[in-house]
Amino acid sequence: AQSVTQLGSHVSVSEGALVLLRCNYSSSVPPYLFWYVQYPNQGLQLLLKYTSAATLVKGINGFEAEFKKSETSFHLTKPSAHMSDAAEYFCAVSLYNQGGKLIFGQGTELSVKP
Amino acid sequence: DGGITQSPKYLFRKEGQNVTLSCEQNLNHDAMYWYRQDPGQGLRLIYYSQIVNDFQKGDIAEGYSVSREKKESFPLTVTSAQKNPTAFYLCASSIGRSYNSPLHFGNGTRLTVT
Repeated sequence: AQSVTQLGSHVSVSEGALVLLRCNYSSSVPPYLFWYVQYPNQGLQLLLKYTSAATLVKGINGFEAEFKKSETSFHLTKPSAHMSDAAEYFCAVSLYNQGGKLIFGQGTELSVKP
Repeated sequence: DGGITQSPKYLFRKEGQNVTLSCEQNLNHDAMYWYRQDPGQGLRLIYYSQIVNDFQKGDIAEGYSVSREKKESFPLTVTSAQKNPTAFYLCASSIGRSYNSPLHFGNGTRLTVT
């Protein structure tokens, strides 16, 4: 069965520091992968998606993620954190043969210190 | 602007009462979804619908019911059979199957049952 694991439920960085949020998936077939962001008491917003066109995917707000098949990973990065990046981030995976269902990771809460 | 509207934002009910959460979209999307979000558990799929008058159970459908009589509307009823109904409920839609189409989310309804 497919699954997605986010390492670290809480990550804290200083403003201006590198942001690295980890996501690993398990799948026997090529997956589609997504990162979403959620601000308090709001819905989720798409940051970026991987659909096999390119392994390095650029998203909104300066975020990017790299698909590494050998490591079954899709980590999210941003070179320099901003206070407004504080939010919860979800990695999600889906397979074309799973009826269109997205499987979400448990989420990583990002805190940014001034 | 197009989007998904969930109402109300906060909902309080007594135990034993059924309650219906509203979800309306004007994005002309075919597929709609209901997710439940609990702290530290990510998002879990309750029901989804890929076409009018048709819907499928997700991973945690017990104690919930839905209808899809119109393309733009996908209401969720939380019945008294749901043992732990207090949660944050998110409605989403996508152009096609979510395996390659990103989800657009509403801002959620926080349900508290006492």
